[in-house]
Amino acid sequence: GIQVEQSPPDLILQEGANSTLRCNFSDSVNNLQWFHQNPWGQLINLFYIPSGTKQNGRLSATTVATERYSLLYISSSQTTDSGVYFCAGTNDMRFGAGTRLTVKP
Amino acid sequence: GAVVSQHPSWVICKSGTSVKIECRSLDFQATTMFWYRQFPKQSLMLMATSNEGSKATYEQGVEKDKFLINHASLTLSTLTVTSAHPEDSSFYICSASLGSGYGYTFGSGTRLTVV
Repeated sequence: GIQVEQSPPDLILQEGANSTLRCNFSDSVNNLQWFHQNPWGQLINLFYIPSGTKQNGRLSATTVATERYSLLYISSSQTTDSGVYFCAGTNDMRFGAGTRLTVKP
Repeated sequence: GAVVSQHPSWVICKSGTSVKIECRSLDFQATTMFWYRQFPKQSLMLMATSNEGSKATYEQGVEKDKFLINHASLTLSTLTVTSAHPEDSSFYICSASLGSGYGYTFGSGTRLTVV
């Protein structure tokens, strides 16, 4: 299966700061999704993004398929953004190890 | 949008018993569903791909006789943990997709505790 590498593994921010999370793939993926897992375990779909850039409020994502990576941008972070962020290629839906984000008030 | 319902949300069972977890696509048909398990502070580990009307495809190292998957209809897949042991205690979660060109939606997960 495709190997998924996420960085950084942990990130601590002060409320209001911006951040960039990265997802690298070992092989080409047809499509890619970013998820946020909240403290109750629910996985929330953030972006379904095969290529290009999408924005949704304070979040945006960019996928460069030819270079096998995707970036998730969080601007003006809030405490409710805390949790674990995962990416997965929809070829086989294998997940990276995730980035654990903690936003402090 | 696509909604995936998973039941139960949590279950406690005794060692040696079996537990069934249901995953339903509420407003769409899903020929493929995925089952994962997640240990505390770890990522989601893909266990198997559930295919409607055929046998599930299990990941390497996952015991198919212990984790029985049945995908008997286009809206329901079940995972049965047979002869459960404390080491099977984990968070189990399923996902499904509307199809090609759409992303995957996850159920709310099932927290299994085997005592």
